[in-house]
This record gives sequence, structure tokens and C-alpha cells, in this order.
Amino acid sequence: QVQLEQSGAEVKKPGSSVKVSCKASGGTFSKYGLSWVRQAPGQGLEWVGGIIPIFDTPRYSQNFQGRVTITADESTSTAYMDLSRLRSEDTAVYYCARSIAVVAAYFDFFDIWGQGTMVTVSS
Amino acid sequence: EFVLTQSPGTLSLSPGEKATLSCRTSQSVSNSYLAWYQQKPGQAPRLLIFAASGRATGIPDRFSGSGSGTDFTLTISRLEPEDFAVYYCHLCGTSPLFGGGTKVEIK
Repeated sequence: QVQLEQSGAEVKKPGSSVKVSCKASGGTFSKYGLSWVRQAPGQGLEWVGGIIPIFDTPRYSQNFQGRVTITADESTSTAYMDLSRLRSEDTAVYYCARSIAVVAAYFDFFDIWGQGTMVTVSS
Repeated sequence: EFVLTQSPGTLSLSPGEKATLSCRTSQSVSNSYLAWYQQKPGQAPRLLIFAASGRATGIPDRFSGSGSGTDFTLTISRLEPEDFAVYYCHLCGTSPLFGGGTKVEIK
């Protein structure tokens, strides 16, 4: 049974950066896409970006272009999301989610989700 | 640019009743690209339906998806107590997009 285990909660200052990890266990890492989806308190879901390790090139939502970097380490089956120039509006739960890799840059439905990582941005 | 509009925002029903949730896309899309999720407080979303009408593993058959083009529907035939939650539709693709959600609450 594939599971996605995320790193722990973070508290950051405005203007700083945060790096969240997502480790996959129990399955083949490179055959799947890994996306990051965030949810601000009391709000809906928002796709941040994703990567399909077998194709290597990440894709980002236009809302986060220039501030987010998503990488994957196939040797450890771990994906990372690095979000910079943090502001209070970035306070949210960040989920990683798996999708089947069909073609490059296409993210299919998310069948497995991590438990979420709370990122709080506060001075 | 695609927009997903879910309605209603909140649905107040009693256990045993039927729930009908709507998701409209701003442009016609292939059925293959539409999924539905359930989310309960403090939990990650759970996949219910993929490709508009395919039921995910372990999902009870009281959940069904339908629709095509720009109009998609998630139906819960008879609400169980554990079905009261928020439901999101999702457009798969190169820039995935979620609808704003429908909360199904106990009347």
C-alpha cells in the first residue's frame, strides 16, 4: 500500500522560505506525478505545482511562478516543495498528492494524498 | 482560462436523502479529465470519482458521477451519517483546477 509521508509543521517569518518534503513508500516513485495542493484556513483547494520524476520537468501554477520550486529525488522517493518570499496569505495546509504519469506535464486525478503540512507565516 | 463552478455552496439534507451536487466548467472538457473528492474536517481529501463516472477503489456504490461537456454531477443516492462533508470537483490537466466546493450538512 503506497503512502505519502510529509514533513512536520513549520512556522516562518514573512519574506523567508519554507521547504516541505513528501516521502513515498510502498510503490514505484518515478512512474507517478507528485503535486502540491494547498488549503488556506476555511478555504478550498489550490494546485501549487507538480513534478513527474520520469519526465523530470516540474510545472507550476501561474499564481506561484517565480516563488516555488518543486524537485524530486528518485533515490529516496522524496519530493520537495520550496516556497520563497513567504507572506501571511501563504498560511495554509500543504498536501502532496500522487497521480498516474500518462504523458509529460499532464497531472491526472489524485489517488493518494499525504497527511498535510501546516505552514504558518507570522511575524 | 478554465473556471470550475460548484453549486450549491451548501446543501442541507437529512440522512437517507439523496444529494445532487453540480460542477460546471467554463469550457467543454473530456469526461476523462473530471474527478470528485470528499474532504472531512482535519483530513486530506479522498478520491471518490475519476473520469467523471469511474468509482475509486473502496468507494460505496451510493456514490455516482455523471455528466459531459460542461455539466457534471456527483450523486449520493442515500446519505449516510459519514457522508456529511465537503465535496470538490477537479479538472485534471497541465494546470489542475479545483471547484470551490459544496458542503453537505445535516439538516
